[in-house]
Amino acid sequence: GQNIDQPTEMTATEGAIVQINCTYQTSGFNGLFWYQQHAGEAPTFLSYNVLDGLEEKGRFSSFLSRSKGYSYLLLKELQMKDSASYLCAVRDRDYKLSFGAGTTVTVRA
Amino acid sequence: IAGITQAPTSQILAAGRRMTLRCTQDMRHNAMYWYRQDLGLGLRLIHYSNTAGTTGKGEVPDGYSVSRANTDDFPLTLASAVPSQTSVYFCASSELAGTGNEQFFGPGTRLTVL
Repeated sequence: GQNIDQPTEMTATEGAIVQINCTYQTSGFNGLFWYQQHAGEAPTFLSYNVLDGLEEKGRFSSFLSRSKGYSYLLLKELQMKDSASYLCAVRDRDYKLSFGAGTTVTVRA
Repeated sequence: IAGITQAPTSQILAAGRRMTLRCTQDMRHNAMYWYRQDLGLGLRLIHYSNTAGTTGKGEVPDGYSVSRANTDDFPLTLASAVPSQTSVYFCASSELAGTGNEQFFGPGTRLTVL
């Protein structure tokens, strides 16, 4: 099974940078995903890491260290529309995802 | 319109009633999934199907059943609803071959069991 931990809430100012950490314990690692979910909407895919290192995609970057069971999502140049929940999910060898409880990010003007 | 559709959007149901949540995808994905999302608990996998004709149990399967008669449809049935099944239900689909292959989520069904 998977045990996935991420902070419950974070607050940041528009234009700033926020880093959301995720730690996991897994019985069979096959990739780590980050999803964004706005209130009342479905989750949408942000990033995927399967090898150690940093994946950059515009204002969003995601980092993975498999040996430490650790990932982070970095949001740069924060905008008001980035206020949402960010979900860390670990995939097992059967292609099933286990999700953390999510981190609610509030961006303030 | 490509993607995943779910029906109904929301439903209020009396305890003990039978209910089927519908999910259809037109992306020809192999795999489909049902999750429930509850405040503070995140998304939890109920059942999944890696290909038409096969299904498997997720983390919280009790009280739910699924079928996968074809590639596109993956209905979730509550045989006798109970109040603890009040939740938001999301259906998702993905390819399995290759790397990456993120799951795409439907818009969700908000179910209230009284």
